[in-house]
Amino acid sequence: DSGVTQTPKHLITATGQRVTLRCSPRSGDLSVYWYQQSLDQGLQFLIQYYNGEERAKGNILERFSAQQFPDLHSELNLSSLELGDSALYFCASSGLGGFTDTQYFGPGTRLTVL
Amino acid sequence: GENVEQHPSTLSVQEGDSAVIKCTYSDSASNYFPWYKQELGKRPQLIIDIRSNVGEKKDQRIAVTLNKTAKHFSLHITETQPEDSAVYFCAGLGGSQGNLIFGKGTKLSVKP
Repeated sequence: DSGVTQTPKHLITATGQRVTLRCSPRSGDLSVYWYQQSLDQGLQFLIQYYNGEERAKGNILERFSAQQFPDLHSELNLSSLELGDSALYFCASSGLGGFTDTQYFGPGTRLTVL
Repeated sequence: GENVEQHPSTLSVQEGDSAVIKCTYSDSASNYFPWYKQELGKRPQLIIDIRSNVGEKKDQRIAVTLNKTAKHFSLHITETQPEDSAVYFCAGLGGSQGNLIFGKGTKLSVKP
């Protein structure tokens, strides 16, 4: 157990819908990263937050957004869902937010868009 | 853009044999190379990492070597066991934000 929690574990929804994925970092970690894992694209970095502020943005679609709250948990919002958004979504956390810090991954949320 | 390539995509070995997975990277400024192990249906877990100021790092049966000149790094697992069966991902720094870029993964199967 990495200490990073994610909810829900599974999510099944329809095209066009909107969902919210939630992540709580390890105790004491200030930074949260979101990744998308699909069979053909591997692990893709989406976005990073550090202590409530956006720090880095990767291959995140405009339909997706995220935020980190004062208690340091983070939410990833996916809207206007398409079939191709079906994937595993992981969040990871690290202490200080540098990309060379060890990132600890949560168990992931499996999103299925029908 | 920056890229991390990983080979092979699948690897099958007999229990007790060694396994080697290789990665190449394009961003010469990258200075941090972690390796993650992901068992089926589970989260990626860091197993070892190396920074560019060293050429090799070992942790029991696992070792990683880095050749900065050639821009490649490798994971070596000795005396493989069935519980080593998993997908292994290498990563390096180099995205547009200096973020981690992951290889496509190597599925390692260790046969008893």
